[in-house]
Amino acid sequence: AQSVTQPDIHITVSEGASLELRCNYSYGATPYLFWYVQSPGQGLQLLLKYFSGDTLVQGIKGFEAEFKRSQSSFNLRKPSVHWSDAAEYFCAVGAYGGATNKLIFGTGTLLAVQP
Amino acid sequence: KAGVTQTPRYLIKTRGQQVTLSCSPISGHRSVSWYQQTPGQGLQFLFEYFSETQRNKGNFPGRFSGRQFSNSRSEMNVSTLELGDSALYLCASATGGAGNTEAFFGQGTRLTVV
Repeated sequence: AQSVTQPDIHITVSEGASLELRCNYSYGATPYLFWYVQSPGQGLQLLLKYFSGDTLVQGIKGFEAEFKRSQSSFNLRKPSVHWSDAAEYFCAVGAYGGATNKLIFGTGTLLAVQP
Repeated sequence: KAGVTQTPRYLIKTRGQQVTLSCSPISGHRSVSWYQQTPGQGLQFLFEYFSETQRNKGNFPGRFSGRQFSNSRSEMNVSTLELGDSALYLCASATGGAGNTEAFFGQGTRLTVV
């Protein structure tokens, strides 16, 4: 069955430090992968997506992610974190099995940024 | 370009009542999906509508239903509300008839059942 695992429930980094959020997926074919961010009480904002091609994808707000098929991973990175990046981050995979836009989400990683 | 609009933003209902939530997708988007978000279960897929037809459904009881209108606006309904239905309900719109296109989310409707 398809699934997404985000091993880190909560991460704290210092402002200006680098960030890497982990995501592993289970999927039977080439996956469609997404990272979303959610601020408290808000909806989800798409940071970046991977459909095919270059395995290093650039997103908004200075984020990037690298697709590694051999490790079934799609980790999110940012070289220098800003206090405004504090939020919850969700990795998702597009479901397969016919035409659908259904997403399967990981459990999320809550990012805290300390000054 | 206007984003995805969900109304109302907040709702308080009593157990046993029913509720209807509304979602207006981005102009030109024909796919609308609904998700339930709770602290315990995370983000769970409810159903997806495309061109007024439900084409995918999650593992929720029949009390949860939805529909889509010809202008792509969608509504979801929950009947006989239970305390466990308290959640943030998110709507997402996408263009793709073929599926697996990027989805844009609304701000959500926060439902509290008392």
